[in-house]
Amino acid sequence: GQNIDQPTEMTATEGAIVQINCTYQTSGFNGLFWYQQHAGEAPTFLSYNVLDGLEEKGRFSSFLSRSKGYSYLLLKELQMKDSASYLCAVGNSGNTPLVFGKGTRLSVIA
Amino acid sequence: DSGVTQTPKHLITATGQRVTLRCSPRSGDLSVYWYQQSLDQGLQFLIQYYNGEERAKGNILERFSAQQFPDLHSELNLSSLELGDSALYFCASSVGNSRITGELFFGEGSRLTVL
Repeated sequence: GQNIDQPTEMTATEGAIVQINCTYQTSGFNGLFWYQQHAGEAPTFLSYNVLDGLEEKGRFSSFLSRSKGYSYLLLKELQMKDSASYLCAVGNSGNTPLVFGKGTRLSVIA
Repeated sequence: DSGVTQTPKHLITATGQRVTLRCSPRSGDLSVYWYQQSLDQGLQFLIQYYNGEERAKGNILERFSAQQFPDLHSELNLSSLELGDSALYFCASSVGNSRITGELFFGEGSRLTVL
């Protein structure tokens, strides 16, 4: 089976930096995904890590440590529009689709 | 716009009824996935089809069924509806290599309310 844990809620200030952590336990690991989901909308792809290390994409970066079963999403220069849920998802080899964590609801305040 | 189309966007029905949700994947995507999202459960995988065949099954109830047609669109049928079936139902598609999970493109979802 799989287990994915991430904090339920976080609050951060506009212009600041926030780190959203995700830990997972799985077999046949084949990548870790981060998705952003605004309330009532579809999840949209943010990042993908399959090797250890940091992937940077503009204001967003994602880090992976496979040995620790750990990832984080780093959001810099926070904007109000970044208020959303951030979903950590694990991909596996074989005929198994992405498994999502319950998501972290981020509130950006002025 | 992800390129994935879902209809209807909203649906209100009564307990015991049956509904059909429809999904058209992105052009060229062979895999279609159905996910259920309720407030306290997050995105729960229901079922996956690849090029017309069932590929993987998740926590899908026996009252629910799905299929993928030759034109690759998919339908999710929900029957004997219960209050607890009220949720957002997302369809997602991917290029669909059957051995490697890739990026998913989600539709806007169908919000089902069972009264």
